[in-house]
Amino acid sequence: GAVVSQHPSWVICKSGTSVKIECRSLDFQATTMFWYRQFPKQSLMLMATSNEGSKATYEQGVEKDKFLINHASLTLSTLTVTSAHPEDSSFYICSARGRGVEKLFFGSGTQLSVL
Amino acid sequence: RKEVEQDPGPFNVPEGATVAFNCTYSNSASQSFFWYRQDCRKEPKLLMSVYSSGNEDGRFTAQLNRASQYISLLIRDSKLSDSATYLCVVVLNTGGFKTIFGAGTRLFVKA
Repeated sequence: GAVVSQHPSWVICKSGTSVKIECRSLDFQATTMFWYRQFPKQSLMLMATSNEGSKATYEQGVEKDKFLINHASLTLSTLTVTSAHPEDSSFYICSARGRGVEKLFFGSGTQLSVL
Repeated sequence: RKEVEQDPGPFNVPEGATVAFNCTYSNSASQSFFWYRQDCRKEPKLLMSVYSSGNEDGRFTAQLNRASQYISLLIRDSKLSDSATYLCVVVLNTGGFKTIFGAGTRLFVKA
């Protein structure tokens, strides 16, 4: 099956620093990528949808200037959490979909802890 | 009303039990349906697709009722390893695919 690689798996950073998370589709062209956030014992929350070569569409309540998403190629999307604060600590997951394909393929997630 | 609603959990069952999860969706234009499984601090993994004719994969049976806008997942002979959160997922085709996740139902299988 299709593989989506997400890095890093976990990151600990100081408050105020920026953190970049990468999501790569390894064996298919990901025309659309999604970024989610999940707090403990809660459901996945869609943050934004990005289509290759265009600006990301953010869900209501998600600050686009804080969560920068870049989807510059058909195999790579990045999420940068800028000036991270402890309340940004969460599990971030990406998923990807190929053209005309309904199924989503997920990255393995990134646990972010901001001290 | 949420677009996809699932049974509130958690479900606590003994090993060997049969457990059923229910899910309803509100948009009649929903096109495709899936059950995903998510372990703690892991990514969701596709468990099975759901078809109107019903489909079975070992101990797991999924069923779709389009008229009632209802999806189910049945797990027979529960194993300890079945403990996880089960997510009901609905895909709309509105010019592009839109994926909607249910909040998930937690299952605990105990010895």
